[in-house]
Amino acid sequence: GAGVSQSPSNKVTEKGKDVELRCDPISGHTALYWYRQSLGQGLEFLIYFQGNSAPDKSGLPSDRFSAERTGGSVSTLTIQRTQQEDSAVYLCASTPIGLRGNTGELFFGEGSRLTVL
Amino acid sequence: GENVEQHPSTLSVQEGDSAVIKCTYSDSASNYFPWYKQELGKGPQLIIDIRSNVGEKKDQRIAVTLNKTAKHFSLHITETQPEDSAVYFCAANANSGGYQKVTFGTGTKLQVIP
Repeated sequence: GAGVSQSPSNKVTEKGKDVELRCDPISGHTALYWYRQSLGQGLEFLIYFQGNSAPDKSGLPSDRFSAERTGGSVSTLTIQRTQQEDSAVYLCASTPIGLRGNTGELFFGEGSRLTVL
Repeated sequence: GENVEQHPSTLSVQEGDSAVIKCTYSDSASNYFPWYKQELGKGPQLIIDIRSNVGEKKDQRIAVTLNKTAKHFSLHITETQPEDSAVYFCAANANSGGYQKVTFGTGTKLQVIP
Protein backbone atom coordinates (compact mmCIF):
# COMPACT_ATOMS: atom_id res chain seq x y z
CA GLY A 1 0.00 0.00 0.00
CA ALA A 2 1.00 3.64 -0.27
CA GLY A 3 3.24 4.97 2.47
CA VAL A 4 4.13 8.52 3.42
CA SER A 5 5.38 10.39 0.39
CA GLN A 6 7.65 13.43 0.53
CA SER A 7 8.76 15.75 -2.22
CA PRO A 8 11.17 16.87 -3.41
CA SER A 9 13.56 14.14 -2.30
CA ASN A 10 16.46 16.54 -2.85
CA LYS A 11 16.50 20.32 -3.03
CA VAL A 12 19.51 22.56 -3.56
CA THR A 13 18.86 26.25 -3.15
CA GLU A 14 20.73 29.49 -2.74
CA LYS A 15 20.87 31.33 0.55
CA GLY A 16 17.97 33.75 0.85
CA LYS A 17 15.55 31.81 -1.36
CA ASP A 18 12.27 30.35 -0.11
CA VAL A 19 11.58 26.61 -0.26
CA GLU A 20 8.49 24.46 0.12
CA LEU A 21 8.60 20.85 1.21
CA ARG A 22 5.56 18.63 0.75
CA CYS A 23 4.28 15.66 2.70
CA ASP A 24 1.49 13.28 1.64
CA PRO A 25 0.58 11.19 4.69
CA ILE A 26 -1.05 7.80 4.69
CA SER A 27 -4.76 8.17 3.94
CA GLY A 28 -6.83 8.43 7.10
CA HIS A 29 -3.94 9.31 9.41
CA THR A 30 -5.10 12.24 11.51
CA ALA A 31 -1.78 13.03 13.17
CA LEU A 32 1.18 14.41 11.22
CA TYR A 33 4.64 15.36 12.48
CA TRP A 34 7.57 17.19 10.94
CA TYR A 35 11.10 16.51 12.15
CA ARG A 36 14.48 17.88 11.13
CA GLN A 37 17.60 15.72 11.04
CA SER A 38 20.94 17.40 10.58
CA LEU A 39 23.86 15.31 9.29
CA GLY A 40 24.57 12.48 11.70
CA GLN A 41 22.24 13.92 14.30
CA GLY A 42 18.98 12.91 15.97
CA LEU A 43 15.40 13.84 15.20
CA GLU A 44 14.49 17.41 16.09
CA PHE A 45 10.74 17.96 16.50
CA LEU A 46 9.36 20.87 14.49
CA ILE A 47 5.56 20.81 14.48
CA TYR A 48 2.57 18.52 15.08
CA PHE A 49 -0.76 18.57 13.24
CA GLN A 50 -4.00 17.04 14.42
CA GLY A 51 -6.26 17.26 11.42
CA ASN A 52 -5.68 20.72 9.97
CA SER A 53 -4.77 22.41 13.23
CA ALA A 54 -1.32 22.59 14.80
CA PRO A 55 -1.60 22.36 18.58
CA ASP A 56 2.16 22.21 18.96
CA LYS A 57 4.45 24.46 16.93
CA SER A 58 7.04 24.70 19.67
CA GLY A 59 9.84 23.15 17.61
CA LEU A 60 9.84 25.64 14.75
CA PRO A 61 13.32 27.26 15.00
CA SER A 62 12.35 30.76 13.89
CA ASP A 63 9.60 32.77 12.24
CA ARG A 64 11.15 31.89 8.87
CA PHE A 65 9.61 28.44 9.31
CA SER A 66 5.90 27.81 8.83
CA ALA A 67 3.70 24.86 8.00
CA GLU A 68 0.15 24.20 7.02
CA ARG A 69 -2.08 21.23 6.41
CA THR A 70 -5.17 21.21 4.26
CA GLY A 71 -8.07 18.77 3.99
CA GLY A 72 -6.63 16.79 6.86
CA SER A 73 -4.14 15.40 4.38
CA VAL A 74 -1.25 17.10 2.57
CA SER A 75 1.11 19.25 4.60
CA THR A 76 3.61 21.84 3.38
CA LEU A 77 6.61 23.07 5.33
CA THR A 78 7.84 26.45 4.12
CA ILE A 79 11.23 27.95 4.91
CA GLN A 80 11.64 31.60 3.97
CA ARG A 81 14.96 33.33 3.33
CA THR A 82 16.89 30.09 3.74
CA GLN A 83 20.18 30.08 5.62
CA GLN A 84 23.04 27.58 5.41
CA GLU A 85 22.16 26.24 8.86
CA ASP A 86 18.79 25.15 7.47
CA SER A 87 20.57 22.42 5.50
CA ALA A 88 19.24 19.10 6.79
CA VAL A 89 16.88 16.25 6.00
CA TYR A 90 13.29 17.14 6.76
CA LEU A 91 11.22 14.10 7.74
CA CYS A 92 7.46 13.82 7.85
CA ALA A 93 5.58 11.12 9.75
CA SER A 94 1.90 10.27 10.12
CA THR A 95 -0.12 8.06 12.41
CA PRO A 96 -3.75 7.41 13.30
CA ILE A 97 -5.11 8.72 16.58
CA GLY A 98 -6.66 5.99 18.67
CA LEU A 99 -8.91 5.91 21.68
CA ARG A 100 -8.19 8.45 24.41
CA GLY A 101 -5.99 10.35 21.98
CA ASN A 102 -3.22 7.76 22.07
CA THR A 103 -0.92 7.32 19.12
CA GLY A 104 1.37 4.47 18.29
CA GLU A 105 3.78 3.73 15.48
CA LEU A 106 4.92 6.68 13.39
CA PHE A 107 5.13 6.01 9.66
CA PHE A 108 7.94 8.07 8.19
CA GLY A 109 8.55 9.24 4.68
CA GLU A 110 12.06 9.06 3.21
CA GLY A 111 12.63 12.74 3.81
CA SER A 112 13.52 15.81 1.81
CA ARG A 113 17.23 16.62 1.80
CA LEU A 114 17.72 20.39 1.72
CA THR A 115 21.06 21.92 0.86
CA VAL A 116 21.45 25.68 1.14
CA LEU A 117 24.49 27.03 -0.68
CA GLY B 1 8.57 18.25 29.07
CA GLU B 2 9.85 14.76 28.37
CA ASN B 3 13.58 14.18 28.06
CA VAL B 4 14.92 10.93 26.57
CA GLU B 5 18.59 10.03 26.90
CA GLN B 6 20.13 7.24 24.82
CA HIS B 7 23.44 5.39 25.20
CA PRO B 8 25.79 4.57 23.65
CA SER B 9 25.98 6.92 20.69
CA THR B 10 28.04 4.40 18.71
CA LEU B 11 28.38 0.65 19.12
CA SER B 12 30.53 -1.85 17.23
CA VAL B 13 30.02 -5.59 17.67
CA GLN B 14 31.27 -8.70 15.95
CA GLU B 15 28.76 -10.58 13.86
CA GLY B 16 26.94 -13.09 16.06
CA ASP B 17 27.44 -11.11 19.26
CA SER B 18 24.67 -9.29 21.12
CA ALA B 19 24.04 -5.56 21.15
CA VAL B 20 22.30 -3.59 23.90
CA ILE B 21 21.10 0.01 23.67
CA LYS B 22 19.71 1.80 26.71
CA CYS B 23 17.35 4.74 27.12
CA THR B 24 16.04 6.67 30.09
CA TYR B 25 13.04 8.97 30.19
CA SER B 26 11.87 11.63 32.61
CA ASP B 27 8.06 11.89 32.29
CA SER B 28 6.28 9.24 34.37
CA ALA B 29 3.19 9.81 32.18
CA SER B 30 4.94 8.32 29.14
CA ASN B 31 3.05 5.18 28.18
CA TYR B 32 4.44 3.95 24.87
CA PHE B 33 8.06 3.21 24.00
CA PRO B 34 8.90 2.42 20.37
CA TRP B 35 12.27 1.65 18.80
CA TYR B 36 13.05 2.74 15.27
CA LYS B 37 15.77 1.61 12.86
CA GLN B 38 17.06 4.08 10.27
CA GLU B 39 19.07 2.82 7.35
CA LEU B 40 21.16 5.18 5.26
CA GLY B 41 19.03 7.49 3.14
CA LYS B 42 15.75 6.17 4.55
CA GLY B 43 13.23 7.32 7.11
CA PRO B 44 13.11 5.58 10.51
CA GLN B 45 11.06 2.40 10.66
CA LEU B 46 9.51 0.80 13.72
CA ILE B 47 11.14 -2.48 14.73
CA ILE B 48 9.58 -3.15 18.13
CA ASP B 49 7.55 -1.31 20.74
CA ILE B 50 6.34 -1.76 24.28
CA ARG B 51 3.52 -0.25 26.29
CA SER B 52 3.77 0.78 29.90
CA ASN B 53 1.74 -2.15 31.21
CA VAL B 54 4.28 -4.69 29.93
CA GLY B 55 7.79 -5.41 31.20
CA GLU B 56 9.29 -7.27 28.28
CA LYS B 57 8.52 -8.03 24.65
CA LYS B 58 10.40 -10.23 22.22
CA ASP B 59 10.27 -10.61 18.45
CA GLN B 60 12.72 -13.16 17.07
CA ARG B 61 16.23 -11.71 17.60
CA ILE B 62 15.12 -8.44 19.12
CA ALA B 63 13.66 -7.75 22.54
CA VAL B 64 12.77 -4.71 24.59
CA THR B 65 12.61 -4.43 28.37
CA LEU B 66 10.93 -1.68 30.37
CA ASN B 67 11.51 -0.72 33.99
CA LYS B 68 8.84 1.85 34.87
CA THR B 69 10.13 2.41 38.38
CA ALA B 70 13.60 3.34 37.16
CA LYS B 71 12.24 4.97 34.00
CA HIS B 72 14.48 3.12 31.63
CA PHE B 73 14.04 0.77 28.69
CA SER B 74 16.49 -1.20 26.60
CA LEU B 75 16.77 -2.79 23.17
CA HIS B 76 18.51 -6.14 22.91
CA ILE B 77 19.61 -7.61 19.58
CA THR B 78 20.99 -11.15 19.69
CA GLU B 79 22.98 -13.00 17.01
CA THR B 80 23.71 -9.75 15.22
CA GLN B 81 24.05 -9.76 11.45
CA PRO B 82 25.63 -7.19 9.08
CA GLU B 83 22.16 -6.06 7.98
CA ASP B 84 21.50 -4.94 11.56
CA SER B 85 23.99 -2.11 10.94
CA ALA B 86 21.98 1.12 11.11
CA VAL B 87 21.07 3.98 13.44
CA TYR B 88 18.60 3.05 16.17
CA PHE B 89 16.35 5.55 17.95
CA CYS B 90 14.32 5.04 21.08
CA ALA B 91 11.28 7.21 21.76
CA ALA B 92 8.73 7.89 24.46
CA ASN B 93 5.12 8.98 23.91
CA ALA B 94 3.40 11.06 26.57
CA ASN B 95 0.14 12.96 26.66
CA SER B 96 0.86 16.67 26.35
CA GLY B 97 -1.85 19.28 26.10
CA GLY B 98 -4.40 16.84 24.71
CA TYR B 99 -2.20 15.03 22.25
CA GLN B 100 0.63 12.50 22.35
CA LYS B 101 4.02 14.10 22.03
CA VAL B 102 6.76 11.82 20.72
CA THR B 103 10.25 12.50 22.09
CA PHE B 104 13.21 10.72 20.49
CA GLY B 105 16.56 9.76 21.91
CA THR B 106 19.70 10.98 20.19
CA GLY B 107 20.32 7.74 18.33
CA THR B 108 22.85 4.89 18.39
CA LYS B 109 24.91 4.03 15.33
CA LEU B 110 25.34 0.26 15.37
CA GLN B 111 28.05 -1.34 13.27
CA VAL B 112 28.13 -5.12 12.95
CA ILE B 113 31.54 -6.31 11.81
CA PRO B 114 31.46 -9.43 9.64
